[in-house]
Amino acid sequence: QVQLVESGGGVVQPGGSLRLSCAASGFTFNNCGMNWVRQAPGKGLEWVAFIGYDGNKIYYADSVKGRVTISRDNSKNTMYLQMSSLRAEDTAMYYCAKDVRRDGNRYFDYWGQGTLVTISS
Amino acid sequence: DIQMTQSPSTLSVSVGDRVTITCRASQSISNWLAWYQQKPGKAPKLLMHEASSLESGVPSRFSGSGSGTEFTLTISSLQPDDFATYYCQQYNSLWTFGQGTKVEIK
Repeated sequence: QVQLVESGGGVVQPGGSLRLSCAASGFTFNNCGMNWVRQAPGKGLEWVAFIGYDGNKIYYADSVKGRVTISRDNSKNTMYLQMSSLRAEDTAMYYCAKDVRRDGNRYFDYWGQGTLVTISS
Repeated sequence: DIQMTQSPSTLSVSVGDRVTITCRASQSISNWLAWYQQKPGKAPKLLMHEASSLESGVPSRFSGSGSGTEFTLTISSLQPDDFATYYCQQYNSLWTFGQGTKVEIK
């Protein structure tokens, strides 16, 4: 069965950096686009970043552009999110989500349980 | 950017009630819309894609409709397991979620 396990969250000071990981299993990782989606405490879902199956297609939300880098290592079935210049408003649960493609459009069919990032001094 | 607006934000309902949640897109997204269910402390779960295509294992009391800019999620007879927050998501151009609709016990 599909499993997505996030790790790397924690408490970081404003301006600091963090690298999140998402370990995947149960599907052909190198065939699938992957995403990061975050949810601030008590708030809704916000898409953060996408990476295509081979890493050649990458998109970011405007709210994080220039401060985060998404990447993947298909030999390790793992996706990453390198975050820097972190702000209080980046405090959130960060989920990785696998996508499924239909007629060129992608939605998210499986999600991990999330890793919590807290930005606080 | 495409904005998604859900209404209402909260619904207070009873078991057995019919529930309707509306999602509006700021521009046409054809039928590139998904619905997710999220329970407290859990990850979102995909309910349907392409506005009305139910995922395997999702009860048939859930249905979706709409195209263009107006979409609806309907639960025909609310069950205890359905109390949760529901999100719509457009995937016509990148990805945007609605702000969520919390379905709570009356």
